[in-house]
Amino acid sequence: EPEVTQTPSHQVTQMGQEVILRCVPISNHLYFYWYRQILGQKVEFLVSFYNNEISEKSEIFDDQFSVERPDGSNFTLKIRSTKLEDSAMYFCASSADRGPTDTQYFGPGTRLTVL
Amino acid sequence: AQSVTQLGSHVSVSEGALVLLRCNYSSSVPPYLFWYVQYPNQGLQLLLKYTSAATLVKGINGFEAEFKKSETSFHLTKPSAHMSDAAEYFCAVSDGSQGNLIFGKGTKLSVKP
Repeated sequence: EPEVTQTPSHQVTQMGQEVILRCVPISNHLYFYWYRQILGQKVEFLVSFYNNEISEKSEIFDDQFSVERPDGSNFTLKIRSTKLEDSAMYFCASSADRGPTDTQYFGPGTRLTVL
Repeated sequence: AQSVTQLGSHVSVSEGALVLLRCNYSSSVPPYLFWYVQYPNQGLQLLLKYTSAATLVKGINGFEAEFKKSETSFHLTKPSAHMSDAAEYFCAVSDGSQGNLIFGKGTKLSVKP
């Protein structure tokens, strides 16, 4: 069964460093998402992406964040200058369509630790 | 704005016992609701979803959930717990036409032999 994959599974970085989290969505999906979960808190929506542009973003997704689909398979989340509060599990998801009932398929997550 | 609340961050049941995981929603429009499960070191997997077609929704692995508008609830149940059901369960509501999901905090289910 097709699945969303994410790399790395765990990333440790120093505060102020740039990190890139990578995702490979399901191959025929067109809509891509990033969510994050700070330890002990809710899973929160960050951004959605379609047709090479951001469709929607939350208040969390400020200028330090960016997303890109550099080729036909990868979908990346970049954090330019990491802060301690960016430590979280980051989930990538994809869907074939984007409506309120369409299923989003999630990857296993990347745990980001900022020291 | 939509939101969901999951009562109980941790639920423990014995193998063979009823599983009941609670989720209440708040929505100004008819909601679309989801239950996801996360097994250790894996991604979130869809268990079932409510899309207004039927109030009792059956999902994978023997789980089901009933949409009750009068109680603004969408509780997840399974008649008989299995050891393999031990995981974290997330309730979510779709945020309007864009389809972005708003999650609850999750409930960790433990199953005792």
